[in-house]
Amino acid sequence: QSALTQPASVSGSPGQSITISCTGTSSDVGGYNYVSWYQQHPGKAPKLMICDVSNRPSGISDRFSGAKSGNTASLTISGLQAEDEADYYCSSYRSSSTLVVFGGGTKLTVL
Amino acid sequence: QVQLVESGGGLVKPGGSLRLSCAASGFTFSDYYMSWIRQAPGKGLEWVSFITGGGSVIYYADSVKGRFTISRDNAKNSLYLQMNSLRDEDTAVYYCVRDNGGGTYSAFDYWGQGTLVTVSS
Repeated sequence: QSALTQPASVSGSPGQSITISCTGTSSDVGGYNYVSWYQQHPGKAPKLMICDVSNRPSGISDRFSGAKSGNTASLTISGLQAEDEADYYCSSYRSSSTLVVFGGGTKLTVL
Repeated sequence: QVQLVESGGGLVKPGGSLRLSCAASGFTFSDYYMSWIRQAPGKGLEWVSFITGGGSVIYYADSVKGRFTISRDNAKNSLYLQMNSLRDEDTAVYYCVRDNGGGTYSAFDYWGQGTLVTVSS
């Protein structure tokens, strides 16, 4: 069982928007603005899409946005495109000996 | 450009040992925190270990504490993971990853291609 809870799958049609949630506790997601989101295509290494809850690294499309409310963070992808189909993982700093925790991952299907 | 290249993976019997290496290039290696992250076949990501730029601060996941040792050689721009007392559940692709420098410990901006470790009798 993963430390952070994500839905196993989400889907949307091209052009639509989807949101993936990531629920933790006050020791991780809720306690710090240190949530990141990663995109992983099959057979590839993950790619950083969002850091510090809502910051986009250079080169990441503004179709990707992040937010947080309480112990739940979220990733929103607007204007869905076929190439967005991938697995998405959230991560957070945790104030314990386990420095970093990940969600179990969400498979995004673009219909 | 930033490159991280892992090596050292392979097939090992339960109870055995393996040492992973990661060769870094394209950035000032000693300036960056580094971590190892693994992914079991068909499963999600699991953070394994972290080391600061100078190597003075180290953290481990509870699942590997006492069995794995992270280290770095800044003169050689290299990161290592010594894995002892390996178990079936350690089977995974191991990624060498760079912290983005923001001080948040969980934003990994560059990943290697990964090296597969298989623990099986």
